[in-house]
Amino acid sequence: EVQLLESGGGLVQPGGSLRLSCAASGFTFSSYAMSWVRQAPGKGLEWVSAISGSGSSTYYADSVKGRFTISRDKSKNTLYLQMNSLRAEDTAVYYCALYDGYYYYMDVWGKGTTVTVSS
Amino acid sequence: EIVLTQSPGTLSLSPGERATLSCRASQSVSSSYLAWYQQKPGQAPRLLIYGASSRATGIPDRFSGSGSGTDFTLTISRLEPEDFAVYYCQQYGDSPLFTFGPGTKVDIK
Repeated sequence: EVQLLESGGGLVQPGGSLRLSCAASGFTFSSYAMSWVRQAPGKGLEWVSAISGSGSSTYYADSVKGRFTISRDKSKNTLYLQMNSLRAEDTAVYYCALYDGYYYYMDVWGKGTTVTVSS
Repeated sequence: EIVLTQSPGTLSLSPGERATLSCRASQSVSSSYLAWYQQKPGQAPRLLIYGASSRATGIPDRFSGSGSGTDFTLTISRLEPEDFAVYYCQQYGDSPLFTFGPGTKVDIK
């Protein structure tokens, strides 16, 4: 069974840093592109970042470009999101997801991890 | 940048009724790259439709998608109690890579 499990969320002060992890199982990790999507409290879904299966290509939403870094570790079957210079507006549930590289839909999602940026 | 608009914002219907949800794009979108998701409170989104009209694995046939260009539709033929949720459309593009619509909430009348 394909599974994604996020961790690393928590409370952080504005300007601080946090690293999210997404542990993957049940599939060949390096064969699939992956993405981070967030959802602020009571709001809709916002795409944050994506990475190719090999890790050679990365993509970011303008709202996080220059502050967040996506990466993946094939040896650990884990996806990461390093978040720096955090702002109150980064407060959200962060989901990792697999996406299909042909039709570009996200068909497997983790349960999410909550990030709260507040003093 | 392509912007997705969903209407209505909220749809109040009774079980057994037909639901028609709209997703409109600010520019033409390839049908191959239009997907629909369902999200219930406290849960992750669930893929329903990809390629504008193809049902994802395990999705009941009461869910159907249609449309092309800038206008896409998700139809739920007969609402079941478990279908009351928020629905999002999503498209793939150049920049940003993915865009979601603001969502349509289907609630019980």
